[in-house]
Order: sequence, then C-alpha cells, then structure tokens
Amino acid sequence: GNSVTQMEGPVTLSEEAFLTINCTYTATGYPSLFWYVQYPGEGLQLLLKATKADDKGSNKGFEATYRKETTSFHLEKGSVQVSDSAVYFCALSLMQGGGNKLTFGTGTQLKVEL
Amino acid sequence: DTGVSQNPRHKITKRGQNVTFRCDPISEHNRLYWYRQTLGQGPEFLTYFQNEAQLEKSRLLSDRFSAERPKGSFSTLEIQRTEQGDSAMYLCASGARDRGGTEAFFGQGTRLTVV
Repeated sequence: GNSVTQMEGPVTLSEEAFLTINCTYTATGYPSLFWYVQYPGEGLQLLLKATKADDKGSNKGFEATYRKETTSFHLEKGSVQVSDSAVYFCALSLMQGGGNKLTFGTGTQLKVEL
Repeated sequence: DTGVSQNPRHKITKRGQNVTFRCDPISEHNRLYWYRQTLGQGPEFLTYFQNEAQLEKSRLLSDRFSAERPKGSFSTLEIQRTEQGDSAMYLCASGARDRGGTEAFFGQGTRLTVV
C-alpha cells in the first residue's frame, strides 16, 4: 500500500536556524507529493507541492525536491522564524479511481524560539 | 469567505447518540473528501465524492458511518451509535478535477468528543 514516513518531532530550533524535516514515501505508482502546514487553531494549508521526479516545490522560503531515486521529499528552509511554528505534514496522492485522495504522514511539530 | 466551511466546529455527545456534521465546499469544486484525524496522527482518508457520486470509501468507514452529497454541493457525515473511539477531528476538503497533484483545500474541521 501507499505510506508516508516523517521524522518525529517536536523539532525545536532557534530563530534563523536551518530547518530540515525528512519525509520518505512508499507508493505503488508515481505519486504527487505535498507538504501541508497546520498553524495553531487553524486548518490544514497547502505549503508546497511537486508532481513529478526532480520537481522542486517552493513557497514562503520553504523548499522540497521530489527525489524518485530515494523516494524522498524533504522539507527545508534556510532561516526559520517564530511564525513558522506549526505542525508540518508530508503527503502523497495518486490518481486512482478518479480521485486524488491524500495519504499523510504523522506530522512533525516545529517550535521556533527567539 | 469562500473557503471550505464545516459545522459545527465542536460537538460533544454521549456514547450511543447519533451525530451529523456538515461541509460546504468551495463552490466551483466538484470533488469533496472526508478525513479523520486523531491526536498525534495525520489525517486518514474516509470517503470521496465527485459531484453527488460517492466513488470511494475507506475500510475505516464502518457501517455506522454514512456520508451524502445531495445535488453535488454540501455534504453531510453522520455517525450512528457513537463510540468513544469515534472521538477525533473530522476534516472536509474540496478540490477541482486536475491532471494530478490536485490541491485539496481543507476546512477547519469538526472536533467530536464522545463521552
């Protein structure tokens, strides 16, 4: 079956530190890959996505590259801010049965301190 | 606000009671998804509609769960004879048909607590 594995949190960083959150996946086909973010008290928001191998998704200073050879989609940011504190979910979707249901990882909580 | 709307935001119910949640998707989206999220976990897929047709249901969706999307607009998720294990956040998402990598827009969820 399809699955997503994320590094466990919480991850605690100082402001302006470099961030990496690891994500690997298992899929029966060629999935699209996503990072969603959930800020405290808010719903899930799409952060970035990549639809094919070697694509790089980017948004708000975050980046992730679709690596088919390592089945990975690691999230990176060069300099985190306190406002980046949230839970980050890696997810995949496959075009099956006409739908694009998402399979999520367990989430990684990020805490950024001054 | 033209985002996905879910009601109620919170629901506390006694074990054995029935509950119904509503989701209003983004108006031009023909796809609607229900997910369930428990504490410390990622959302898990429950069911999917394209317009009014329910095209896929997860094994997680027991006989006590039923979802509808009459007229292909809003959707309801009903849980009959609730159990404590049903306590979770129920998320609705909508999206439009795409070639892949379709972005799903999520509502803020309905948090169910069964006591």
